[in-house]
Amino acid sequence: GAVVSQHPSRVICKSGTSVKIECRSLDFQATTMFWYRQFPKKSLMLMATSNEGSKATYEQGVEKDKFLINHASLTLSTLTVTSAHPEDSSFYICSARDNSAEAFFGQGTRLTVV
Amino acid sequence: DAKTTQPPSMDCAEGRAANLPCNHSTISGNEYVYWYRQIHSQGPQYIIHGLKNNETNEMASLIITEDRKSSTLILPHATLRDTAVYYCIVRVAGGNAGNMLTFGGGTRLMVKP
Repeated sequence: GAVVSQHPSRVICKSGTSVKIECRSLDFQATTMFWYRQFPKKSLMLMATSNEGSKATYEQGVEKDKFLINHASLTLSTLTVTSAHPEDSSFYICSARDNSAEAFFGQGTRLTVV
Repeated sequence: DAKTTQPPSMDCAEGRAANLPCNHSTISGNEYVYWYRQIHSQGPQYIIHGLKNNETNEMASLIITEDRKSSTLILPHATLRDTAVYYCIVRVAGGNAGNMLTFGGGTRLMVKP
C-alpha cells in the first residue's frame, strides 16, 4: 500500500508554545488529507479534512484558530497546535487519500504538553 | 456512513484462528465494509475490504453475510503481533465524502501464548 510519513513521532513542548506536525505522502499525490486525534483508550476522532490548495474543513467543536492546517502541496499537509496546553496532549494521526480513494495512515504523533 | 457494532474485546490463543464479528444492519447498497487495525501507539493499518463477496488477502479473510448486515474478519493463524484494536467501518467508496473514515470503538484483540 501507499506510504504516509508523519513527523515527529513524539514531541514534548511547554505550555503556551506551538507545535507543527507534518504529514507526507511519499509515493502518491494526496488531494485530500485527514487529521484525527486520539485520547488514551479511545477511538480516533476526526478533527478536520484538508484539501490541497484550499481551506480545511473542521469538525464541530474543533477550533480552527487553535489547530491550523495547511495543505500547500499534493504531498504535504501540516497541523500546527498553537498555544498548546496540557489538555491538548494527545495522539495525532493523519490520513491521506490516493487516486484509488483508499485511505492510508501515518504513524501518528504523540504530543505531550508540560 | 452506517454505524457498526463490535464486541469491545476478545481473546485468542496464539496459532488459532481469530474470528472478529461486526454488525452493520443499516448498511446501504453502495457501502463497503472495511477493516483496519491499530497496534498500540501506531496509526491504523488497512487490512481488507469488501462489498458483498467474501474476500481474502495475505493478512485476513472477510466473510460478509448474504444480507450484508454483518461480517466477520478472520485471522487464520493469530500471532502475538496481531494483538491490536480492530475497527470495522462501512463507507461509500469513492468521492470526497466517502473517503472520511468514521471510527467506532473497535474490538481489542488480545492474542495469548
